[in-house]
Amino acid sequence: QKEVEQDPGPLSVPEGAIVSLNCTYSNSAFQYFMWYRQYSRKGPELLMYTYSSGNKEDGRFTAQVDKSSKYISLFIRDSQPSDSATYLCAMSGGFQKLVFGTGTRLLVSP
Amino acid sequence: NAGVTQTPKFRILKIGQSMTLQCAQDMNHNYMYWYRQDPGMGLKLIYYSVGAGITDKGEVPNGYNVSRSTTEDFPLRLELAAPSQTSVYFCASVDRVVLNQPQHFGDGTRLSIL
Repeated sequence: QKEVEQDPGPLSVPEGAIVSLNCTYSNSAFQYFMWYRQYSRKGPELLMYTYSSGNKEDGRFTAQVDKSSKYISLFIRDSQPSDSATYLCAMSGGFQKLVFGTGTRLLVSP
Repeated sequence: NAGVTQTPKFRILKIGQSMTLQCAQDMNHNYMYWYRQDPGMGLKLIYYSVGAGITDKGEVPNGYNVSRSTTEDFPLRLELAAPSQTSVYFCASVDRVVLNQPQHFGDGTRLSIL
């Protein structure tokens, strides 16, 4: 079993849709949870981060962590074509040695 | 402000050749990392460094070597290139190990070994 599981997609949605991206994990020691966005032929850039359980909102993006279920989510409201990218979840036990999911490719059509 | 700079952007090697992937950061970050990203496999940590002169293995270190003689530079060395090392390599850095300091990534080196 992989330490972090993420559906690779692709996930295709029309512009304006609400997007839900998810990861599950098996290591209960993970405390820090991050979402990175990666455009084609570019390095990952940090979108959201949370510590422990709960929700965090930043503009159109909301990150949720449910440690009891070992499940994290990223919601994108009013999705735009510029949101088309690969979204990687990442997590760590607190020492910045990140474990990444495989990434979900998102396509937002105009 | 250049951030994290990786060179070269692309390279084709023959089996058995050696090369060094360069990584430089101008943010005076202490921590630096090397990852490889294979299709459908996410990023896997190869080596990391917490400061000049200090390096440690990550999840997939076999076939690679690193050194950290300065704060700015963290080169990754492939001694005997093998087809299994065909991948996209990313270097990242971060100032301190705290939650509100994200890892800054370079744009990667695409390496093909034939």
